[in-house]
Amino acid sequence: DAGITQSPRYKITETGRQVTLMCHQTWSHSYMFWYRQDLGHGLRLIYYSAAADITDKGEVPDGYVVSRSKTENFPLTLESATRSQTSVYFCASHGSGGGSGLFFGEGSRLTVL
Amino acid sequence: KNQVEQSPQSLIILEGKNCTLQCNYTVSPFSNLRWYKQDTGRGPVSLTIMTFSENTKSNGRYTATLDADTKQSSLHITASQLSDSASYICVVTAYGGSQGNLIFGKGTKLSVKP
Repeated sequence: DAGITQSPRYKITETGRQVTLMCHQTWSHSYMFWYRQDLGHGLRLIYYSAAADITDKGEVPDGYVVSRSKTENFPLTLESATRSQTSVYFCASHGSGGGSGLFFGEGSRLTVL
Repeated sequence: KNQVEQSPQSLIILEGKNCTLQCNYTVSPFSNLRWYKQDTGRGPVSLTIMTFSENTKSNGRYTATLDADTKQSSLHITASQLSDSASYICVVTAYGGSQGNLIFGKGTKLSVKP
C-alpha cells in the first residue's frame, strides 16, 4: 500500500537550474495537486489536474510547469529555479467525489541557493 | 474574497489538558469544511469533514463543530497527548467551480508538553 509518494524528499540546487519533483500515486485517483508550504502562507496551490492530459493553474503557478501523461504521475518542474522557490512542496490526490479528502505525500523540501 | 482564518497561531498546553482551536471562514457558496493534522515533516492527514447540515462530528478525542450561520468551526481536543503536537489546518471547500476551490487556513501549531 504505497499510496502517494514524492521524490526526491530533499533537494538542494542553484539558481537557474532546472528541477523536477516527482509524484506517484497508486490509487488511480482522478485529481492530483501540487502545493507549496511556506511559513506565514500556509499551503498554496500551484497546479492541479483533473485527469490525464488535463491541468490547470492554481494560485501561484508562475515559474512552474506540470504534465500528466499518465493518471498515476504528476511531475512538477521548475524550469529555472529562483531563491523564492525555496519551499516544501506537497503533492496530493483524491478520487472523483473527493469524499475522503486530500491524500498528501510526505513532501519535497527544496532549497535554491 | 474567500478566506479562512485560524486562531490562535500557536498554542502550548500540558499533557492531559483539553484545548479548542478556532476557524472562521468567509467562503461562499460553502460546500464543506475539513480539519487536517500535520505532524512535523509530514504531509497533512484528514481528521474530520463537516457539511452544511452537520453541527458536530467526533473522531476519537477530536471533536469538530460547525456553525454555518456564523461561519465558524472549532476543533476540540480532549485529554491531550504528546502525539497531538502538530499543526492543525482548516480547509473550506467552495461549492461548485473547479477543483481549485479549496481554501486553506494557515494553521494552528499545537505543542503538548509533558
